[in-house]
Amino acid sequence: EPEVTQTPSHQVTQMGQEVILRCVPISNHLYFYWYRQILGQKVEFLVSFYNNEISEKSEIFDDQFSVERPDGSNFTLKIRSTKLEDSAMYFCASIRVRTGELFFGEGSRLTVL
Amino acid sequence: QQQVKQSPQSLIVQKGGISIINCAYENTAFDYFPWYQQFPGKGPALLIAIRPDVSEKKEGRFTISFNKSAKQFSLHIMDSQPGDSATYFCAARDAGGTSYGKLTFGQGTILTVHP
Repeated sequence: EPEVTQTPSHQVTQMGQEVILRCVPISNHLYFYWYRQILGQKVEFLVSFYNNEISEKSEIFDDQFSVERPDGSNFTLKIRSTKLEDSAMYFCASIRVRTGELFFGEGSRLTVL
Repeated sequence: QQQVKQSPQSLIVQKGGISIINCAYENTAFDYFPWYQQFPGKGPALLIAIRPDVSEKKEGRFTISFNKSAKQFSLHIMDSQPGDSATYFCAARDAGGTSYGKLTFGQGTILTVHP
């Protein structure tokens, strides 16, 4: 079964630093997503990406966040200046359009100190 | 109106018992209702999903019951096993949304099945 892969699995950073979380979606999928899960809380939609542009973003996805597909296989989430409240598990996902099934990666845990 | 409310927060069941998790929504534009299973340290994985044109869907020990008029849906796990111990999330997708994969998740239910 193909899978979504994410790196790093855990990143610790100081407040105000930039972080980049990387994802390799399933190869024949065209729509990509980032979701966030603060510890003990629900999974929340951040942004969707299709055809090299953002198709929708949530109110959480402010100017500190950006996404990019730099090379046709990787899909990245950048947080420009991290805040304590950015500490969360970040999940990348891609979708099998035929069935509507969303496939999630194992997540990148971000800890902001 | 975009919320999906899930209950209970946690559930303890004996092996062989039935686990029932409930979700309710307000947005009548929701058109797809998946359930995700999440093990510690892993991403959510699709367990089973239903569309509002059917009232029930069964896959093995897992059944979704859907009540469109009440705007509620539930997950039933028959013959619950210790390996079913995980966090379960209900979710919903807005048919009118621009993102096909944008889901609104419930708060999650931590299921513990005792042997």
